[in-house]
Amino acid sequence: GEDVEQSLFLSVREGDSSVINCTYTDSSSTYLYWYKQEPGAGLQLLTYIFSNMDMKQDQRLTVLLNKKDKHLSLRIADTQTGDSAIYFCAESAISGGYNKLIFGAGTRLAVHP
Amino acid sequence: EPEVTQTPSHQVTQMGQEVILRCVPISNHLYFYWYRQILGQKVEFLVSFYNNEISEKSEIFDDQFSVERPDGSNFTLKIRSTKLEDSAMYFCASRAGGGATNEKLFFGSGTQLSVL
Repeated sequence: GEDVEQSLFLSVREGDSSVINCTYTDSSSTYLYWYKQEPGAGLQLLTYIFSNMDMKQDQRLTVLLNKKDKHLSLRIADTQTGDSAIYFCAESAISGGYNKLIFGAGTRLAVHP
Repeated sequence: EPEVTQTPSHQVTQMGQEVILRCVPISNHLYFYWYRQILGQKVEFLVSFYNNEISEKSEIFDDQFSVERPDGSNFTLKIRSTKLEDSAMYFCASRAGGGATNEKLFFGSGTQLSVL
């Protein structure tokens, strides 16, 4: 079945770039997503990429997609303390014509001075 | 910006009791979902709902669970007889539908359910 894997923890210094990696299994996924979860809060959609794209840039965020290796990454440039959160990778899975998301376990990003 | 709202934010209940978690999806959205996240684990799909019926449900969504859209705005998740292992954060989500540009899923801030 579908599965999404992420590393669980990443620590970076403020001002550095963060790269969060994800692998997925469903080659038919049309969209891949990055969600952010701050402590005690819900899931905030950060960005997404359509499966026919290799890269998408949105201000400090860059998403890279390698369809051959089923690898997705999220790069955050100039990481700030406010970026500390859990980042979830998710793939869309079409089942019976209806869309659902399959999430990874989340990568906890810790930003230190 | 329109948002999905969930109430209550926290719910504490005794094992065996019924709970109803409430959600108000974004008003023009057509597809509705419940997900849950047990502490420290993945966000798991529970159920999807479209056109007033369940379109898909996971293995977790057994006979103790039910969903309803009682009016034009609310979308509820009922757990008939709660178990300790139902303790989790429950997220409601909605999607506009209608093609590729509407694939984004919008999540509420969740209801933290604690079963004692």
